[in-house]
Amino acid sequence: ELKVEQNPLFLSMQEGKNYTIYCNYSTTSDRLYWYRQDPGKSLESLFVLLSNGAVKQEGRLMASLDTKARLSTLHITAAVHDLSATYFCAVDRGGGGADGLTFGKGTHLIIQP
Amino acid sequence: DVKVTQSSRYLVKRTGEKVFLECVQDMDHENMFWYRQDPGLGLRLIYFSYDVKMKEKGDIPEGYSVSREKKERFSLILESASTNQTSMYLCASSFIGVKPLHFGNGTRLTVT
Repeated sequence: ELKVEQNPLFLSMQEGKNYTIYCNYSTTSDRLYWYRQDPGKSLESLFVLLSNGAVKQEGRLMASLDTKARLSTLHITAAVHDLSATYFCAVDRGGGGADGLTFGKGTHLIIQP
Repeated sequence: DVKVTQSSRYLVKRTGEKVFLECVQDMDHENMFWYRQDPGLGLRLIYFSYDVKMKEKGDIPEGYSVSREKKERFSLILESASTNQTSMYLCASSFIGVKPLHFGNGTRLTVT
């Protein structure tokens, strides 16, 4: 059974600080996805990581993928309040891309002034 | 921009009722998915479909069925709603082999 584990599940941090969210998974997939969800809203795609060593950056967020360690990280630099949200990582279930994604439980991030 | 539209934002149904949740996408995606989202459990896949009239069970299909009569439309059916099916239901779509999934805004279903 494919498992996707995120940690921490809850994170409260101050503006201006740096932090990293970790995503471990149990399959040999070389694709990993990060999503953001604001309260009461749906999921929005942030990053698609398609190979070992992939690194993507958007503003204060940077995601990376190490397929050998089965680990992805989402790094937040100099956090601002607008980044408060729940962040999910997800991995292909298999089946050549037709089977959907398995998600982690999400990291609820609160950034305080 | 991809649009995935779920017909209802909020639904309240009684135990034992038959419930239909509708989802339509406008990007000619082959794949469509139904997830449910519960606090502390994240998103769990109920059913998915990679073609018209095709359906596959996800991780938690019990108590649900689906219908895909047209490529753009994917329906989730609760044959006899129960209180443990109270949840947020999210529909998503994608091309085969190309991600990410594009999600609808969700339907919050309450079964009383």
